[in-house]
Amino acid sequence: GNSVTQMEGPVTLSEEAFLTINCTYTATGYPSLFWYVQYPGEGLQLLLKATKADDKGSNKGFEATYRKETTSFHLEKGSVQVSDSAVYFCALGGRDDKIIFGKGTRLHILP
Amino acid sequence: EPEVTQTPSHQVTQMGQEVILRCVPISNHLYFYWYRQILGQKVEFLVSFYNNEISEKSEIFDDQFSVERPDGSNFTLKIRSTKLEDSAMYFCASSVGAALNEKLFFGSGTQLSVL
Repeated sequence: GNSVTQMEGPVTLSEEAFLTINCTYTATGYPSLFWYVQYPGEGLQLLLKATKADDKGSNKGFEATYRKETTSFHLEKGSVQVSDSAVYFCALGGRDDKIIFGKGTRLHILP
Repeated sequence: EPEVTQTPSHQVTQMGQEVILRCVPISNHLYFYWYRQILGQKVEFLVSFYNNEISEKSEIFDDQFSVERPDGSNFTLKIRSTKLEDSAMYFCASSVGAALNEKLFFGSGTQLSVL
């Protein structure tokens, strides 16, 4: 069945560092891919998405490219801020009416 | 931005008791979901609800679970007889259209602890 695997956390970086959080997926067909973020005390929020191969989703300086050949959707940001500290979830959506999430990666940004 | 509201934020119950987790989705949304996350594990899909009926459910969503939209604004998850392994954070979500195509809006969750 469909599944998502993302890198284990926590990830700790200094402010202005480059961020990569790896995500790979297994799916039949052509799923949509998402990154959701959960800030402390809040629900999950959609950060970005891509619906077909080679699409790049972007938002708030974050980017992720849908790579069908490597079944990946890695999240990147060129210069992180303390306010980016949160838990990041990679997810995929197939033809049925549900989203499959990864375990989440906790990100700590140090000032 | 409109938001999904969940109550209570924390619920503690004894094993075998019934619990009802409450959610108020965004008013013009048509699709409703429950997810849960056991500590340290993945966010797991439980059930989706559309047009006053369950459209999809996972193997976790057995006969002990039920959902209801009693009054057109609330969306509830009932666990009839809780087990220790039901302890988790439960998230409600809603969307305008189907999850494949539309952004899901999540509530901040209800932390359920079964003792």
